[in-house]
Amino acid sequence: EAQVTQNPRYLITVTGKKLTVTCSQNMNHEYMSWYRQDPGLGLRQIYYSMNVEVTDKGDVPEGYKVSRKEKRNFPLILESPSPNQTSLYFCASSSALGIGQPQHFGDGTRLSIL
Amino acid sequence: DQQVKQNSPSLSVQEGRISILNCDYTNSMFDYFLWYKKYPAEGPTFLISISSIKDKNEDGRFTVFLNKSAKHLSLHIVPSQPGDSAVYFCAATQAPGYALNFGKGTSLLVTP
Repeated sequence: EAQVTQNPRYLITVTGKKLTVTCSQNMNHEYMSWYRQDPGLGLRQIYYSMNVEVTDKGDVPEGYKVSRKEKRNFPLILESPSPNQTSLYFCASSSALGIGQPQHFGDGTRLSIL
Repeated sequence: DQQVKQNSPSLSVQEGRISILNCDYTNSMFDYFLWYKKYPAEGPTFLISISSIKDKNEDGRFTVFLNKSAKHLSLHIVPSQPGDSAVYFCAATQAPGYALNFGKGTSLLVTP
């Protein structure tokens, strides 16, 4: 089954404690991205990656890092989380072939930073 | 600056009637438009898309209309069903490898 898997699904942590949200896809997609969803703001892109070792900033990259060492994985790293990073996070992937290939989303990770 | 706008945060429609969700965009470079549907506690799922070379695309009960001169698109759901109750996101992109720009979403409620 085609899937984008995020872990953990829920996390409550404290300010400053480094955390990583993992994302893995089994569709051999080139393109992966991270979004955060906040009330009244919709989905905003944090970082994206067009292929292995190729990453770029989205609209709201401050306070986040990513890496793309393997095609299937695209972890999101919060080196020093702060309360304003409390949000619902989605990882997505798509094939790079053709314009506008629909992105497949994971089920989300709800982060609470106290 | 929001390049894709969904100005109606919510919409309520009776079962069996038509639901019309609207979306406006500002970037004339956008060439491909998509609608996503999102249920609570799940990720968005792709619903339907349209390329800028078309003005209409239909898939079952779902039809998307694009008016490039007005930079406006709409999603029509006919007939609406209670299971269609979800948040609908409009998204746009300009080329392969470019980011999807999402609107803020419209919450649709279809009442029996």
